[in-house]
Amino acid sequence: EDQVTQSPEALRLQEGESSSLNCSYTVSGLRGLFWYRQDPGKGPEFLFTLYSAGEEKEKERLKATLTKKESFLHITAPKPEDSATYLCAVANSGGYQKVTFGTGTKLQVIP
Amino acid sequence: EPEVTQTPSHQVTQMGQEVILRCVPISNHLYFYWYRQILGQKVEFLVSFYNNEISEKSEIFDDQFSVERPDGSNFTLKIRSTKLEDSAMYFCASNSGGNQPQHFGDGTRLSIL
Repeated sequence: EDQVTQSPEALRLQEGESSSLNCSYTVSGLRGLFWYRQDPGKGPEFLFTLYSAGEEKEKERLKATLTKKESFLHITAPKPEDSATYLCAVANSGGYQKVTFGTGTKLQVIP
Repeated sequence: EPEVTQTPSHQVTQMGQEVILRCVPISNHLYFYWYRQILGQKVEFLVSFYNNEISEKSEIFDDQFSVERPDGSNFTLKIRSTKLEDSAMYFCASNSGGNQPQHFGDGTRLSIL
């Protein structure tokens, strides 16, 4: 069974203070690892897809990286509008379309 | 940018009643999904739907639940004989298949009284 563990559960940063969120995963064969952002009362908003170890993707202040066991979401010089819950999810290569989510990291960026 | 839309945004129903949640997926997508998120918990997969039939379902998706694509644009989730523990956010998602990411709607908050 696919498993996703995210850490820390919550993170409080000063504006401009860079940090990283961790996603550890166990999957029989990785078809894709996805990062989403979720604001309160909203649905997950897609950020990145990573397919193989060593791959990196960037968008504004966010950079996602992937190894064979984990993914990191690096946040550089965050702003208060980056405050949200960041979700990691995996899809396995078994021919199925479902994704398995972690519980998320709740990020608060203080001005 | 095209998006997934869900209605209603909030549904309040008495225990034992039937409820239908509605979704309009992104128009050129082929795969449709329902997920739920109980307050404070993770997003959980319920069911995937492709080519007018269920392609995968979780243990949560028992005989109480059903899905339908009644026309070319809508995708619905029906919950029969609702229970208190069905209270959750229900999210619809869609994608074009393969390795493509799923795009989510903003959900329906279902409250069972």
